[in-house]
Amino acid sequence: ETVLTQSPGTLSLSPGERAALSCWASQSVDSNFLAWYQHKPGQAPRLLIYGASTRATGIPDRFSGSGSGTDFTLTISRLEPEDLGMYYCQQYGNPPRTFGQGTKVEIK
Amino acid sequence: EVQLLESGGGWVQPGGSLRLSCVGSGYTFGSYAMSWVRQAPGKRPEWVSSINAIGSNTYHADPVKGRYSISRDNSKSTMYLQMDSLRPEDTAVYYCARFMAITIAPSDYWGPGTLVTVSS
Repeated sequence: ETVLTQSPGTLSLSPGERAALSCWASQSVDSNFLAWYQHKPGQAPRLLIYGASTRATGIPDRFSGSGSGTDFTLTISRLEPEDLGMYYCQQYGNPPRTFGQGTKVEIK
Repeated sequence: EVQLLESGGGWVQPGGSLRLSCVGSGYTFGSYAMSWVRQAPGKRPEWVSSINAIGSNTYHADPVKGRYSISRDNSKSTMYLQMDSLRPEDTAVYYCARFMAITIAPSDYWGPGTLVTVSS
């Protein structure tokens, strides 16, 4: 199966700063079928990006996705206090679907 | 507004059974494929099972094959996960999720999850 590795483990930034979260795949992700989710404790996960770079419905344009093959990035251009939480990448092109171990975003 | 809500979690002894339910609202439930995803404490999320829109095709991850069964009742806007022969390693928060209505799709809506604890 395709193993996804995310870095950094924790990102601590101030409001207004730029955040870059990385996701590496152990093998090429078919057709860039790569998604990013935000997850806050006790809440439902929220789809942010799919197809590596397409924002999901209602997602602010400060969230953007890029990358292809085995190397993907989620960028939050200007951090807002409500952006704190865990962020997971998921590949859905190579069965079985797999997730990264997550990056925790903290707001200073 | 699309909403998904899981229920049926709880504590069970190893070897026991539980049935989880997921009720969908705010959309035409029977038009979308669905899945279950779980996350054990301190671990990454793990896909468990999927079912197509009409319930004719089901898929299960290797760790749960032969023990779990996914099904749905579109007349009740409800999906189920029957979990038998439960093991301590099945302890996790279980989420139901809806697949987007495109070919090869991610999950666009999720429920808040229900906790399953398998312990003696």
